[in-house]
Amino acid sequence: SQQGEEDPQALSIQEGENATMNCSYKTSINNLQWYRQNSGRGLVHLILIRSNEREKHSGRLRVTLDTSKKSSSLLITASRAADTASYFCATFSSGYSTLTFGKGTMLLVSP
Amino acid sequence: GAGVSQTPSNKVTEKGKYVELRCDPISGHTALYWYRQSLGQGPEFLIYFQGTGAADDSGLPNDRFFAVRPEGSVSTLKIQRTERGDSAVYLCASSQQGFGTPGANVLTFGAGSRLTVL
Repeated sequence: SQQGEEDPQALSIQEGENATMNCSYKTSINNLQWYRQNSGRGLVHLILIRSNEREKHSGRLRVTLDTSKKSSSLLITASRAADTASYFCATFSSGYSTLTFGKGTMLLVSP
Repeated sequence: GAGVSQTPSNKVTEKGKYVELRCDPISGHTALYWYRQSLGQGPEFLIYFQGTGAADDSGLPNDRFFAVRPEGSVSTLKIQRTERGDSAVYLCASSQQGFGTPGANVLTFGAGSRLTVL
C-alpha cells in the first residue's frame, strides 16, 4: 500500500518559475524524504526532514513539514529544464521497516 | 562499488518462465531493499534484508516471489511462473543502516530492472 499522496499529479511550468509539490500521509512518521526519478528508472534522494523539524533547505530546495496536518511540501525555486522529473515523497514510520512512497508528481519544466 | 548495480537492465520473458534479477549494493551497506514500480505508480516495497537475513518480506505478493542474499552483499530476486501482471520495474536499494536503528536512513537506488512478461 502507498502511504503518501502527492499533489498535483502533474505540473508544467516555465524555466525560472517556482514549483511546489505537496504530500499528504496517513500515519505518524519518524521522517519524511523526497526523491527524484528521471525516465522511470532509479530514484535519487533529495532531502530528509525529521518529524521534529518544520522546515529544511538544501540549495534550491525547501521542504516544510506539518505533522498536525500530516502533510509536507517541496518547493523548487528558479526551476531549470533539468529539473524535469517525477518527484516522490516517502515516509518512515516507527514499527515499520520500510520506506513507503507516494504516487509522485510529474514535473515538466519548459525552456 | 560506487553505486547500486542491477542486472539485467531489461528482461523480456514469456508467461510461465522463471526469472532472476540481481542486485549488487554499495560496498559496506548492510541493508538491502527490493521495490517494484508499475507504470505511473510509486515504488512498492517487496522485501528488506539486514545482512544475510530477510528482516521483512511482508511485501512479497505471493509465493512465486523469493529473494536471497547468501553472503550479505549481492541479492537475487527470483520470480517463478511469471505472469503478465509481474511486468514492472524492479528497483533495488541499499543503505548503511537498516530501519530500526537510530538516525535517518537514506536509500541509494539502482537504475532498476525492467521486466516485461509477454
